[in-house]
Amino acid sequence: EIVLTQSPGTLSLSPGERATLSCRASQRTNSRYLGWYQQKPGQAPRLVIYGVSNRATGIPDRFSGSGSGTDFTLIISRLEPEDFAVYFCQEYGDAHYTFGQGTKLEIK
Amino acid sequence: EVQLVQSGAEMKKPGATVKISCKVSGYTFTAHNINWLQQAPGKGPEWMGLVDPQDGEVIYAERFQGKVTISADTTIDTAFMELSSLKLEETAMYYCAVSLRDLPTFLDVWGEGTTVIVSS
Repeated sequence: EIVLTQSPGTLSLSPGERATLSCRASQRTNSRYLGWYQQKPGQAPRLVIYGVSNRATGIPDRFSGSGSGTDFTLIISRLEPEDFAVYFCQEYGDAHYTFGQGTKLEIK
Repeated sequence: EVQLVQSGAEMKKPGATVKISCKVSGYTFTAHNINWLQQAPGKGPEWMGLVDPQDGEVIYAERFQGKVTISADTTIDTAFMELSSLKLEETAMYYCAVSLRDLPTFLDVWGEGTTVIVSS
């Protein structure tokens, strides 16, 4: 069973700065099956990036994703106040969904 | 617009059973699997299992085998998740979610979540 490890656990940045979030898989994964979700307090997770680098509907272009094999990255180029949230990476395999433990992006 | 509307918060005693519903609208109910996920406080979501409303087939995550029962009622476009023999540590938010893709690799739409508190 694949394990997704996210780093850092918490990232403290200011609006306008660039955020780089990492997700490492315990074994090689199909890039088409790797995505990222944003979760704000009291809300359900929301799909942000799918297939490593594709933005979901309504997601602004300051969000981008990259990576392959076991290492994947979510970048938010210029942080807006509404971007501060928890981000989870997710991998799909054999009808199962596996999530990382999350990175909390907080305002510095 | 696709919507998943879940039943309200529950408070249960250890050993009890809870059943949560997820009513679907905005697409043909039988077209996509309904997934259930558990999210403990401060943790990432954990996939529990799914139901194919078309034929009722269910798949459970190994960790939840024997603990959860997932079902669907096509007459009311609603999926259900039942958790039995509740433990204190199963206090969590529970979500239903659906992938609208041909290959269900990502969860596009989520319910608002149902809080389950297990307390003596």
